[in-house]
Amino acid sequence: QVQLLESGGGLVKTGGSLRLSCAGSGFKFSDFYMSWFRQTPGKGLEWISYISAGSRDTNYADSVKGRFSISRDNAKSSLFLQMDNLRPDDSGVYYCARDYSDGSGYHPPGFWGQGTQVTVSS
Amino acid sequence: EVVLTQSPGTLSLSPGERATLSCRANQNVWNNYLAWYQQKPGQAPRLLIFDASNRATGIPDRFSGSGSGTDFTLTITRVEPDDFAVYYCLKYGSSPPDTFGQGTKVEIK
Repeated sequence: QVQLLESGGGLVKTGGSLRLSCAGSGFKFSDFYMSWFRQTPGKGLEWISYISAGSRDTNYADSVKGRFSISRDNAKSSLFLQMDNLRPDDSGVYYCARDYSDGSGYHPPGFWGQGTQVTVSS
Repeated sequence: EVVLTQSPGTLSLSPGERATLSCRANQNVWNNYLAWYQQKPGQAPRLLIFDASNRATGIPDRFSGSGSGTDFTLTITRVEPDDFAVYYCLKYGSSPPDTFGQGTKVEIK
C-alpha cells in the first residue's frame, strides 16, 4: 500500500535552516505530483509547495516563496523540502502528500505522511 | 485567491443522526475542484470526496458530497462513533494556491 514517511523536522532558531525528506513506497513514485503542506494552530492547514512528476514544474505559497525549495529524486522515491531563513510562524507539522491520481486533469492530495514537527524559536 | 468558509464551526450530534457540513467559496471553484477531508487528533487528513461529489476509494457510502460553483456540502447520512472528527474542504486545481477551509468539528452530543 501507499506509504509516505517524513523526516528531518526539529527545533531550530530564527534564521536557521532545515531539510525535510519524504520517502515514498508502495507506488511508482516517478508518476505522481507531490506536495508539501503544513498545519499550525494559527493558520490551520496550508499548502506550501508542489512539484511535478518529472520536476519540470514547481510552485510555492507566497508565505514561503524565496525561502523554501522543493525537489525530488525519483530514483530514490524521495521528496525534499529545503527550508531556509526560518521564522517562528513557520512552526507546525509538515506533511508530504501524493496526488490521489496520476491521470489527466487536476487531483487533490490523496495520500499523506504522518507529519514531522518543525519548531522555530525566537 | 479562493477563500473557503466552512460552517458551522462545531456540530454536536448523537450517533445515527445526519450531519450536514457547508463550504462556501468567495469565488467560483473552477471545474468544481473541491475535496473534503476528515482529520482525527494526531493523524494526517484523510481524503473523503474529490471533484465535489466523488467518493475516494474505500470511503463508506454514508459520506456524500454535493454542490457546485461556490456552495458545497458534505453529508454524513448516519453518523457513526468513528466519524467524530474535524472535517476540512479544499479547493485545488490549476490556479495555486490550494486553499483549505478552517474546518468543522463534529462532536458527540
